[in-house]
Amino acid sequence: EVQLVESGGGLVQPGGSLTLSCAASGFTVSSNYMSWVRQAPGKGLEWVSVIYSGGYRNYADSVKGRFTISRDNSKNTLYLQMNTLRPEDTAVYYCARHPTGYSSLSWFDPWGQGTLVTVSS
Amino acid sequence: EIVMTHSPATLSVSPGERATLSCRASQSVSTNLAWYQQKPGQAPTLLIYDASTRATGIPARFSGSGSGTEFTLTISSLQSEDFAVYYCQQYNYWPVAFGPGTKVDIK
Repeated sequence: EVQLVESGGGLVQPGGSLTLSCAASGFTVSSNYMSWVRQAPGKGLEWVSVIYSGGYRNYADSVKGRFTISRDNSKNTLYLQMNTLRPEDTAVYYCARHPTGYSSLSWFDPWGQGTLVTVSS
Repeated sequence: EIVMTHSPATLSVSPGERATLSCRASQSVSTNLAWYQQKPGQAPTLLIYDASTRATGIPARFSGSGSGTEFTLTISSLQSEDFAVYYCQQYNYWPVAFGPGTKVDIK
């Protein structure tokens, strides 16, 4: 069964840092395009970052220069390193897989259950 | 950047009735459009991709149509488990973008 499980969320002060993890099972992270998508409380969905199977990375303008997406192939895990956090980064962060065999410009399936990041003093 | 919009923002429907949700893109996205369902406290679930292809395991009462800038998700006969928020997503251009969602609630 394909499954994604996020962890690492929590309360952090503005300007602080946090690293999110997304452990995958049932497929190989390094063979797929993988993204992070976030959802502010009561709001809609916002794509944050993607990592290609070949290692290329792309970011939303709102997080460029502050967030870094990466993966550990030995652990089959995706990460999101978040620095210089702002209150507007408060959201549930989901990791999601792009469909196997398609381009990076694609839909997301499946999604993890999400992990809440709260940026507040 | 492509901006996605939904109409209506909220749709009140009785169980067993048909629901029609609309999604519009600020410029053509061809048929590179997906629909998701999200229930409270849960992650989104893929319903439709390529504008009209049902994802694995999705009931036939869900159907998608449209191309270019105008898209429709139809739920032919609403079941109790279908009351949720529905989002469209374009994946024709980076950054991929989601609409603000349509909430389908019980009339």
